[in-house]
Amino acid sequence: DGGITQSPKYLFRKEGQNVTLSCEQNLNHDAMYWYRQDPGQGLRLIYYSQIVNDFQKGDIAEGYSVSREKKESFPLTVTSAQKNPTAFYLCASLRTGSNQPQHFGDGTRLSIL
Amino acid sequence: DAKTTQPPSMDCAEGRAANLPCNHSTISGNEYVYWYRQIHSQGPQYIIHGLKNNETNEMASLIITEDRKSSTLILPHATLRDTAVYYCIVRVANTNAGKSTFGDGTTLTVKP
Repeated sequence: DGGITQSPKYLFRKEGQNVTLSCEQNLNHDAMYWYRQDPGQGLRLIYYSQIVNDFQKGDIAEGYSVSREKKESFPLTVTSAQKNPTAFYLCASLRTGSNQPQHFGDGTRLSIL
Repeated sequence: DAKTTQPPSMDCAEGRAANLPCNHSTISGNEYVYWYRQIHSQGPQYIIHGLKNNETNEMASLIITEDRKSSTLILPHATLRDTAVYYCIVRVANTNAGKSTFGDGTTLTVKP
């Protein structure tokens, strides 16, 4: 089945450590997105990419980095510069040039040890 | 992309219609209205979308006002499983996908 796979489902980070969250899609979508969600709050956009080898900052990009070397993959690195990384992270993809909706993964929950 | 405004919470009795409003007064002519819902600790699920005409599918109906400045998502016979956070967003559908931003949504609680 086509869809978006995020891994791992749960991730723990030590202080000062970088961690990378995986997002893979087999929908042949051009655009991909990363969102952060804190308890009781909505989704906030971290980074998005409309095409391979190109990406733009969202509303809360500080302390995060991304890459888009392949159409199918859009990994998110939470760096040690992100002082409050504990959150639920969601990846989404979208077929550009159409009015079709975004597809979302099941999320990764990141916690600090 | 235009910003949307939704009430933070609503209640609905099981079996009754749930009407969730969304204000998007700065919407552009080429922006679609999309509705999603999110059950705790899962990714948002797409419900329905529209440009200017009312839309209906197996999950819900979408009513967009004639001036397009607001819309209402209707769940015709709410069940307990419809308890979730509902998000309304607006987005241009063209080759430049651009940002796609979500607000805080409306928490719908369906009560027995």
